[in-house]
Amino acid sequence: QSALTQPPSASGSPGQSVTISCTGTSSDIGAYHYVSWYQHHPGKAPRLMIYEIFRRPSGVPGRFSGSKSGNTASLTVSGLQAEDEADYYCNSYTDSNTYVFGTGTKVTVL
Amino acid sequence: EVQLVESGGGLVQPGGSIRLSCAASGIPFSSYWMHWVRQTPGKGPVWVARINPDGTYTSYGDSVKGRFTISRDNAKSTLYLLMNSLRAEDTAVYYCSGDMTGYHDCWGQGTLVSVSS
Repeated sequence: QSALTQPPSASGSPGQSVTISCTGTSSDIGAYHYVSWYQHHPGKAPRLMIYEIFRRPSGVPGRFSGSKSGNTASLTVSGLQAEDEADYYCNSYTDSNTYVFGTGTKVTVL
Repeated sequence: EVQLVESGGGLVQPGGSIRLSCAASGIPFSSYWMHWVRQTPGKGPVWVARINPDGTYTSYGDSVKGRFTISRDNAKSTLYLLMNSLRAEDTAVYYCSGDMTGYHDCWGQGTLVSVSS
């Protein structure tokens, strides 16, 4: 199972928006609603930010949103804040009854 | 407060074995699916294995199938990963995660396993 493809980096100034893509196949992202996004500050535990393509867990700010079209999922962070600077990973269930993560995107707040 | 604390990592020789533990608190452990996920520096995470709440079902990633065994002790709220026939490419930080909803709802901070002679 190959990793989902994400851009290595993304950046924006405070208050701006950034969108991260996550491209898979018809065997993972394209086949299921089980797409999620995780924020990871190095040295800390990763955090679930989006699940089931667009749903936000309790406590996650509303400026985080998710979507999906075909084999590609996207995470948008609106109104960027300094604390949003982190690594972000997508994840999908697959038709092999396994899970696959993305290659990761480092978000920088300029 | 939800806490998942991994332990047991360290340096092991190729072909050797090691057992990781993940102690959970603040969650109804016996109701959670549990996973192991690993990550090497500069790369995305890789899903390793999962186990259902009562321990009767497990599944594994292709790269560890037949070598790693996931298990749990619900009385101790602890998850385990027994890693055999270790290879250099198994070197990574290993995370445990809890799954109540089909997603990795909570994570530990990881434990480092280094496979080297």
